[in-house]
Amino acid sequence: EVQLVESGGGLVQPGGSLRLSCAASGFTFSDYWMSWVRQAPGKGLEWVANIQKDGSEKNYVDSVKGRFTISRDNAKNSLYLQMNSLRAEDTAVYYCARHIDYWGQGTLVTVSS
Amino acid sequence: DIQLTQSPSFLSASVGDRVTITCRASQGISSYLAWYQQKPGKAPKLLIHPASTLRSGVPSRFSGSGSGTEFTLTISSLQPEDFATYYCQQLNSYPRTFGQGTNLEIK
Repeated sequence: EVQLVESGGGLVQPGGSLRLSCAASGFTFSDYWMSWVRQAPGKGLEWVANIQKDGSEKNYVDSVKGRFTISRDNAKNSLYLQMNSLRAEDTAVYYCARHIDYWGQGTLVTVSS
Repeated sequence: DIQLTQSPSFLSASVGDRVTITCRASQGISSYLAWYQQKPGKAPKLLIHPASTLRSGVPSRFSGSGSGTEFTLTISSLQPEDFATYYCQQLNSYPRTFGQGTNLEIK
Protein backbone atom coordinates (compact mmCIF):
# COMPACT_ATOMS: atom_id res chain seq x y z
CA GLU A 1 0.00 0.00 0.00
CA VAL A 2 1.36 3.39 -1.02
CA GLN A 3 1.84 5.66 1.99
CA LEU A 4 3.13 9.21 2.17
CA VAL A 5 3.51 10.78 5.58
CA GLU A 6 4.46 14.43 5.92
CA SER A 7 6.03 15.95 9.00
CA GLY A 8 7.83 19.08 10.08
CA GLY A 9 5.03 21.60 9.96
CA GLY A 10 4.36 24.08 12.72
CA LEU A 11 4.29 27.72 13.73
CA VAL A 12 7.17 29.88 12.55
CA GLN A 13 7.77 33.62 12.58
CA PRO A 14 7.96 35.62 9.35
CA GLY A 15 11.47 35.38 7.94
CA GLY A 16 12.04 32.05 9.62
CA SER A 17 12.80 28.62 8.20
CA LEU A 18 11.22 25.19 8.29
CA ARG A 19 12.05 21.84 6.75
CA LEU A 20 9.25 19.55 5.74
CA SER A 21 9.77 15.83 5.29
CA CYS A 22 7.73 13.20 3.51
CA ALA A 23 8.33 9.53 4.28
CA ALA A 24 7.31 7.23 1.46
CA SER A 25 6.55 3.53 1.58
CA GLY A 26 4.77 0.86 -0.42
CA PHE A 27 6.43 1.64 -3.76
CA THR A 28 9.86 2.04 -5.32
CA PHE A 29 10.50 5.64 -4.39
CA SER A 30 13.33 6.16 -6.87
CA ASP A 31 11.02 5.31 -9.79
CA TYR A 32 8.82 8.38 -9.37
CA TRP A 33 8.83 12.13 -9.68
CA MET A 34 7.65 13.67 -6.42
CA SER A 35 5.81 16.90 -5.79
CA TRP A 36 4.79 19.38 -3.10
CA VAL A 37 1.40 21.06 -3.32
CA ARG A 38 -0.02 23.49 -0.79
CA GLN A 39 -3.44 24.75 0.20
CA ALA A 40 -3.95 27.95 2.16
CA PRO A 41 -6.79 27.83 4.70
CA GLY A 42 -10.11 27.88 2.88
CA LYS A 43 -8.41 28.29 -0.51
CA GLY A 44 -7.64 26.17 -3.54
CA LEU A 45 -4.66 24.02 -4.42
CA GLU A 46 -1.32 25.51 -5.45
CA TRP A 47 1.47 23.45 -7.00
CA VAL A 48 4.76 24.35 -5.29
CA ALA A 49 7.57 22.21 -6.70
CA ASN A 50 8.54 18.86 -8.11
CA ILE A 51 11.71 16.83 -8.44
CA GLN A 52 12.95 14.26 -10.92
CA LYS A 53 13.44 10.62 -9.94
CA ASP A 54 17.16 11.04 -9.36
CA GLY A 55 16.95 14.63 -8.15
CA SER A 56 18.59 16.00 -11.28
CA GLU A 57 15.70 18.27 -12.26
CA LYS A 58 13.70 20.52 -9.97
CA ASN A 59 10.90 22.91 -10.80
CA TYR A 60 9.27 25.62 -8.67
CA VAL A 61 6.39 28.04 -8.76
CA ASP A 62 7.71 31.59 -9.07
CA SER A 63 6.46 32.67 -5.65
CA VAL A 64 8.86 30.29 -3.86
CA LYS A 65 11.88 30.39 -6.18
CA GLY A 66 15.01 31.34 -4.28
CA ARG A 67 13.34 30.65 -0.93
CA PHE A 68 12.27 26.98 -1.08
CA THR A 69 14.40 23.99 -2.04
CA ILE A 70 13.01 20.58 -2.87
CA SER A 71 15.25 17.57 -2.41
CA ARG A 72 15.07 13.82 -1.97
CA ASP A 73 17.04 10.97 -0.50
CA ASN A 74 16.24 7.81 -2.44
CA ALA A 75 18.18 5.67 0.03
CA LYS A 76 15.86 6.87 2.79
CA ASN A 77 12.68 6.96 0.66
CA SER A 78 12.21 10.56 1.70
CA LEU A 79 11.24 13.84 0.12
CA TYR A 80 12.04 17.22 1.64
CA LEU A 81 11.08 20.86 1.30
CA GLN A 82 13.44 23.38 2.86
CA MET A 83 11.54 26.64 3.32
CA ASN A 84 13.46 29.82 4.09
CA SER A 85 12.44 33.47 4.38
CA LEU A 86 8.91 32.41 5.17
CA ARG A 87 6.05 34.85 4.67
CA ALA A 88 2.52 35.01 5.98
CA GLU A 89 1.28 34.00 2.54
CA ASP A 90 3.16 30.70 2.83
CA THR A 91 0.70 29.62 5.53
CA ALA A 92 -0.93 26.46 4.21
CA VAL A 93 -1.30 22.73 4.47
CA TYR A 94 1.58 21.23 2.52
CA TYR A 95 0.98 17.94 0.76
CA CYS A 96 3.58 15.67 -0.77
CA ALA A 97 2.48 13.65 -3.75
CA ARG A 98 3.83 10.80 -5.79
CA HIS A 99 3.71 12.49 -9.17
CA ILE A 100 -0.03 13.17 -9.14
CA ASP A 101 -1.58 9.88 -8.10
CA TYR A 102 -1.01 9.46 -4.36
CA TRP A 103 -1.03 12.20 -1.75
CA GLY A 104 -0.10 12.38 1.89
CA GLN A 105 -2.43 13.73 4.57
CA GLY A 106 -0.61 17.06 4.70
CA THR A 107 1.24 19.07 7.31
CA LEU A 108 0.19 22.56 8.40
CA VAL A 109 2.66 25.41 8.22
CA THR A 110 1.64 28.64 9.94
CA VAL A 111 3.74 31.75 9.46
CA SER A 112 2.82 34.34 12.04
CA SER A 113 4.35 36.55 14.68
CA ASP B 1 1.80 30.64 -16.83
CA ILE B 2 -1.19 28.67 -18.04
CA GLN B 3 -4.40 29.72 -16.33
CA LEU B 4 -7.20 27.24 -15.75
CA THR B 5 -10.72 28.55 -15.26
CA GLN B 6 -13.34 26.20 -13.89
CA SER B 7 -17.06 26.77 -14.26
CA PRO B 8 -19.16 26.89 -12.33
CA SER B 9 -17.34 27.70 -9.09
CA PHE B 10 -20.36 26.52 -7.10
CA LEU B 11 -22.88 23.90 -8.10
CA SER B 12 -25.94 22.74 -6.22
CA ALA B 13 -27.40 19.41 -7.31
CA SER B 14 -29.41 16.46 -6.09
CA VAL B 15 -28.61 12.78 -5.75
CA GLY B 16 -29.17 11.15 -9.12
CA ASP B 17 -28.49 14.32 -11.14
CA ARG B 18 -26.06 14.44 -14.03
CA VAL B 19 -23.55 17.24 -13.59
CA THR B 20 -20.80 18.67 -15.76
CA ILE B 21 -17.86 20.82 -14.70
CA THR B 22 -15.82 22.68 -17.29
CA CYS B 23 -12.13 23.57 -17.17
CA ARG B 24 -10.77 26.03 -19.72
CA ALA B 25 -7.07 26.56 -20.29
CA SER B 26 -5.58 29.87 -21.36
CA GLN B 27 -3.54 28.05 -24.00
CA GLY B 28 -3.54 24.59 -25.50
CA ILE B 29 -2.42 21.77 -23.23
CA SER B 30 -3.19 18.77 -25.46
CA SER B 31 -4.62 16.14 -23.10
CA TYR B 32 -2.31 16.91 -20.18
CA LEU B 33 -5.07 17.47 -17.69
CA ALA B 34 -5.98 15.80 -14.42
CA TRP B 35 -9.14 15.97 -12.33
CA TYR B 36 -9.21 15.63 -8.54
CA GLN B 37 -11.86 15.28 -5.86
CA GLN B 38 -11.27 16.78 -2.43
CA LYS B 39 -13.41 16.40 0.66
CA PRO B 40 -13.10 18.72 3.69
CA GLY B 41 -10.00 18.05 5.74
CA LYS B 42 -8.74 15.41 3.33
CA ALA B 43 -6.09 15.23 0.65
CA PRO B 44 -7.18 15.45 -2.98
CA LYS B 45 -7.81 12.18 -4.79
CA LEU B 46 -6.92 11.71 -8.45
CA LEU B 47 -9.94 10.80 -10.57
CA ILE B 48 -8.86 11.20 -14.17
CA HIS B 49 -5.55 11.58 -16.02
CA PRO B 50 -4.94 12.25 -18.83
CA ALA B 51 -8.05 14.13 -19.79
CA SER B 52 -10.33 11.18 -20.48
CA THR B 53 -8.66 8.24 -18.72
CA LEU B 54 -10.40 7.13 -15.57
CA ARG B 55 -8.07 6.09 -12.81
CA SER B 56 -8.37 2.47 -11.76
CA GLY B 57 -10.87 2.10 -8.93
CA VAL B 58 -12.77 5.30 -9.67
CA PRO B 59 -16.48 4.66 -10.27
CA SER B 60 -17.55 4.62 -13.89
CA ARG B 61 -20.13 7.36 -13.29
CA PHE B 62 -17.16 9.75 -13.54
CA SER B 63 -15.90 10.60 -17.01
CA GLY B 64 -13.65 13.19 -18.57
CA SER B 65 -13.37 14.59 -22.04
CA GLY B 66 -11.70 17.32 -24.03
CA SER B 67 -8.35 18.35 -25.41
CA GLY B 68 -6.58 21.55 -26.26
CA THR B 69 -8.21 24.26 -24.18
CA GLU B 70 -11.60 22.93 -23.10
CA PHE B 71 -12.23 19.99 -20.83
CA THR B 72 -15.18 18.57 -18.94
CA LEU B 73 -15.71 16.34 -15.94
CA THR B 74 -19.10 14.64 -15.91
CA ILE B 75 -20.73 12.69 -13.11
CA SER B 76 -23.56 10.73 -14.69
CA SER B 77 -25.65 10.08 -11.57
CA LEU B 78 -24.63 11.86 -8.39
CA GLN B 79 -24.18 9.76 -5.31
CA PRO B 80 -24.08 11.14 -1.73
CA GLU B 81 -20.33 10.54 -1.52
CA ASP B 82 -19.70 12.71 -4.61
CA PHE B 83 -20.45 15.98 -2.87
CA ALA B 84 -17.02 17.56 -2.65
CA THR B 85 -14.75 20.11 -4.33
CA TYR B 86 -13.31 19.27 -7.73
CA TYR B 87 -10.12 20.65 -9.22
CA CYS B 88 -8.48 20.42 -12.61
CA GLN B 89 -4.70 20.65 -13.04
CA GLN B 90 -2.64 21.06 -16.19
CA LEU B 91 0.49 19.00 -16.63
CA ASN B 92 1.61 20.50 -19.92
CA SER B 93 4.07 23.06 -18.60
CA TYR B 94 5.50 24.62 -15.47
CA PRO B 95 4.16 25.76 -13.10
CA ARG B 96 1.61 22.96 -12.89
CA THR B 97 -1.39 25.19 -12.26
CA PHE B 98 -4.76 24.22 -10.82
CA GLY B 99 -8.20 25.56 -11.51
CA GLN B 100 -9.84 27.49 -8.71
CA GLY B 101 -12.12 24.60 -7.82
CA THR B 102 -15.80 23.73 -8.12
CA ASN B 103 -17.71 23.22 -4.90
CA LEU B 104 -20.44 20.65 -5.51
CA GLU B 105 -23.11 20.86 -2.84
CA ILE B 106 -26.29 18.98 -2.09
CA LYS B 107 -29.45 20.80 -3.13
